[in-house]
Amino acid sequence: GAGVSQSPSNKVTEKGKDVELRCDPISGHTALYWYRQSLGQGLEFLIYFQGNSAPDKSGLPSDRFSAERTGGSVSTLTIQRTQQEDSAVYLCASSLAGQGRETQYFGPGTRLLVL
Amino acid sequence: AQSVAQPEDQVNVAEGNPLTVKCTYSVSGNPYLFWYVQYPNRGLQFLLKYITGDNLVKGSYGFEAEFNKSQTSFHLKKPSALVSDSALYFCAVRDIGRGNDKIIFGKGTRLHILP
Repeated sequence: GAGVSQSPSNKVTEKGKDVELRCDPISGHTALYWYRQSLGQGLEFLIYFQGNSAPDKSGLPSDRFSAERTGGSVSTLTIQRTQQEDSAVYLCASSLAGQGRETQYFGPGTRLLVL
Repeated sequence: AQSVAQPEDQVNVAEGNPLTVKCTYSVSGNPYLFWYVQYPNRGLQFLLKYITGDNLVKGSYGFEAEFNKSQTSFHLKKPSALVSDSALYFCAVRDIGRGNDKIIFGKGTRLHILP
C-alpha cells in the first residue's frame, strides 16, 4: 500500500513569508508525528497527534509554528514569518497506534530553504 | 527528562569487519528502544526495536542490538559490515513510565564502511 507522503518535496521561500507543509499518513494510522532534521542536529521532535486526543506540542520551537490534523488523517505544519534558521528537512511519520511501541513509518520529507 | 545519546558522530569500519554503533539512554521507567536507518537520499527506515523479552533483538539487514539495563545501553551491531551499510543511524527511545507516547531520537551516527 501507499506509504507516508509529504508535499512539497522542496520549498524555497523568502524570510518573513508563511509556509504550509503537508503530510498524508498511511491509511488507518492513528498516530502522526512531525520532526525537523537539521544538519548536525539529528531529529528534533516537533508535535505529535494521537487519535482525537489533544496534540503534544511540546517540541514546537516557537509560536510561529503550528500544526493541525483534519479528520484524523492529513496534517499540515504551518510556519509563519519564516526565519533563516527554519531551514531544514521537515519529516512526518505515522504509526498504527500511539502507545510508543509501534514502528514509525516516515515520509520522504520536505526540504525547506528560507532565503 | 528522557534522553538518548549517540556518542559518536561518525564510525568507520572496514568491509567484512564487525561494527558497533553506540546508544545510551536515560528514562525514568522501562524504555521502548528503536534503531532507524537513513540511506543517502532516502527516507528513514525502521531497523529493529526492543519492547520486552529477550535482550538481544534481531532486525533487518542482519543487524542486531542488545538491551543492557544496567548500562542503559542499546548498541547496534552487525557481525560483518557491507559497503551498502553506509548510512546515518538513529537510536530512539520512548519512556513508558510517563504515559507519554513521544519518541525521542538521538543526533545520529554516520557509518562509513570502507571497501
